[in-house]
Amino acid sequence: QKEVEQNSGPLSVPEGAIASLNCTYSDRGSQSFFWYRQYSGKSPELIMSIYSNGDKEDGRFTAQLNKASQYVSLLIRDSQPSDSATYLCAVKHSNDYKLSFGAGTTVTVRA
Amino acid sequence: DADVTQTPRNRITKTGKRIMLECSQTKGHDRMYWYRQDPGLGLRLIYYSFDVKDINKGEISDGYSVSRQAQAKFSLSLESAIPNQTALYFCATSDPGLDTGELFFGEGSRLTVL
Repeated sequence: QKEVEQNSGPLSVPEGAIASLNCTYSDRGSQSFFWYRQYSGKSPELIMSIYSNGDKEDGRFTAQLNKASQYVSLLIRDSQPSDSATYLCAVKHSNDYKLSFGAGTTVTVRA
Repeated sequence: DADVTQTPRNRITKTGKRIMLECSQTKGHDRMYWYRQDPGLGLRLIYYSFDVKDINKGEISDGYSVSRQAQAKFSLSLESAIPNQTALYFCATSDPGLDTGELFFGEGSRLTVL
């Protein structure tokens, strides 16, 4: 079992719709969770971090964390063509400084 | 100029050749990392270094070595390249003071081994 798994995609959504991305992790002691966005041919950049159970909102992005279910998600509201990218879920292990990444979910927003 | 700079950006080489990928950063971060990215596999950690005297293996270090020449420089070597090392390689840094887990990536080095 991979440490961090994401829904494989690709995910295609119409402009203005909600894109929902899911991620599960295996290390129950993980404390920190991140979403990175990677445009084609570019390097990943951090867009969201979440540390506590519940929702965290930042503009059109909402991260949701459920540690009991070992599940973290990212919602993109009012999706725009500029949101078309691969989204990487990353988990920071307990007692460790390294991040483990999921394989990524590619999102395409249709105009 | 980019805060994390990788050279070369693209390299095509032959099986058995020695290759070095270089990374330099101006962010002043102590922690530096090398990842490789393959389609469908995401980012996998090769080596990481928390200061000049600290080198640690990641999850896929076999076939690779690293050198931390200075706080700002971290190089990755493939002593004898093989085709399954064809991948996109990223150098990254992080700030231990914040310990947010945020990584700052270079622009990537695309390596093709024929």
